[in-house]
Amino acid sequence: AQSVTQPDIHITVSEGASLELRCNYSYGATPYLFWYVQSPGQGLQLLLKYFSGDTLVQGIKGFEAEFKRSQSSFNLRKPSVHWSDAAEYFCAVAPGGGNKLTFGTGTQLKVEL
Amino acid sequence: GAVVSQHPSRVICKSGTSVKIECRSLDFQATTMFWYRQFPKQSLMLMATSNEGSKATYEQGVEKDKFLINHASLTLSTLTVTSAHPEDSSFYICSARGGGGTETQYFGPGTRLLVL
Repeated sequence: AQSVTQPDIHITVSEGASLELRCNYSYGATPYLFWYVQSPGQGLQLLLKYFSGDTLVQGIKGFEAEFKRSQSSFNLRKPSVHWSDAAEYFCAVAPGGGNKLTFGTGTQLKVEL
Repeated sequence: GAVVSQHPSRVICKSGTSVKIECRSLDFQATTMFWYRQFPKQSLMLMATSNEGSKATYEQGVEKDKFLINHASLTLSTLTVTSAHPEDSSFYICSARGGGGTETQYFGPGTRLLVL
C-alpha cells in the first residue's frame, strides 16, 4: 500500500526566511504528487502538482516543489516566507491513473514576525 | 476555475437526527466526487468515492447505511449523516474531479458538524 510521510509535524520560520517542507512517499511506481494548503477551518487549496516531465514544478503563491525519484521525495520550498503562509500543509499522492489520494499527516507552519 | 462549494459550512444538530451536506462543483462537471473526514489536527481520511449515476464506493470501516451518498448529477453530491451521534462530530470535506483524464481533486471549504 502506498504511504506518505511528512516527518515534520510543526515548523516555525521567521518572515522572509526560506522554507522547505519535506515529503516522502512509498509506492512501487512514480505516483502523481500534490501539495495542498489548509487554513484553519477551511478546505484545501491546491498549491502545485507533479505528474511527469520537469521535476521542478512551480505553483501558486511563490511555492515550488522538486520531485526526486532516487529519494522518493517531493519537498515543497519557498524562498521567502510571508506571514500569510502560516497554515497546515499536506502532501498527497495518487497512483498514476488512479482515483484515490493518500495524504500525509500534515505540517503546521508558523511564521514569526 | 475549478471551484467547489459546500453547504452548510457549519451545522449543529441533536443526537438521533439526520444531516445533509451538499457539495457542488460550480464551474466544471465532476465525474467523480470524494468525501473526506478530518478530525482535529489530523489528516484527511477518505470516506467514500462517488461517480455520477453510480453507487458510492465506501472505504473499509465506513458504514454505508450511516453515511448515505448520492451523486445525482455532474455538479452535485450529497452526504447524509443518518441518526447522528456525538462521535460523528467532525469536519467533513468534499472534493471533485473532472473528467478528461485529469487527476487533480479540487476541494470544498468543508462543513463543521457538531452533534449534541
